[in-house]
Amino acid sequence: GEDVEQSLFLSVREGDSSVINCTYTDSSSTYLYWYKQEPGAGLQLLTYIFSNMDMKQDQRLTVLLNKKDKHLSLRIADTQTGDSAIYFCAERGSTLGRLYFGRGTQLTVWP
Amino acid sequence: DAGVTQSPTHLIKTRGQQVTLRCSPKSGHDTVSWYQQALGQGPQFIFQYYEEEERQRGNFPDRFSGHQFPNYSSELNVNALLLGDSALYLCASSSARAQETQYFGPGTRLLVL
Repeated sequence: GEDVEQSLFLSVREGDSSVINCTYTDSSSTYLYWYKQEPGAGLQLLTYIFSNMDMKQDQRLTVLLNKKDKHLSLRIADTQTGDSAIYFCAERGSTLGRLYFGRGTQLTVWP
Repeated sequence: DAGVTQSPTHLIKTRGQQVTLRCSPKSGHDTVSWYQQALGQGPQFIFQYYEEEERQRGNFPDRFSGHQFPNYSSELNVNALLLGDSALYLCASSSARAQETQYFGPGTRLLVL
């Protein structure tokens, strides 16, 4: 089955850039996603990228996709304490709408 | 425009009991997916409903069942609860015409004692 891997923890200082990495296995993935989860809350869709793109920028967020290596990254510029949360990478494979998630990366931003 | 809503927010049950969780999709959405998120894990797909039918299913036993109503809202039922069913249950809605985006509700936190 599909497998999505992420590192579990990342710590950065406020104002620095954060880069969260993800690898996936399904070469037929159509879309790849980044979701954010704050404590006790549901998932907030941050951004997504279609598999035929290699980059997408949305304000402070930059998504890079290396389809050959099946590697996805999320860069957050000028990271703020409010960005502290768990970030999930997810892929949508060839099956209808089903998402496969990684275990999430806990981002901690220090003032 | 209301987003995805779920009820109840929290629930405590004992082993062997049955539970029903509810979800109302975002306005304009017709497809509902359910996910289970155990502590420290990513969400796992349970099943998806479209046009009042189960369209696809993840690797969950038959104790997990669902329903979709004509107004697109959905229920998740779990029978014969086990301790391992304790988790955050998330509902996601999407539109069949724009399936690339799924929006999640706040979840129902179920504790089985």
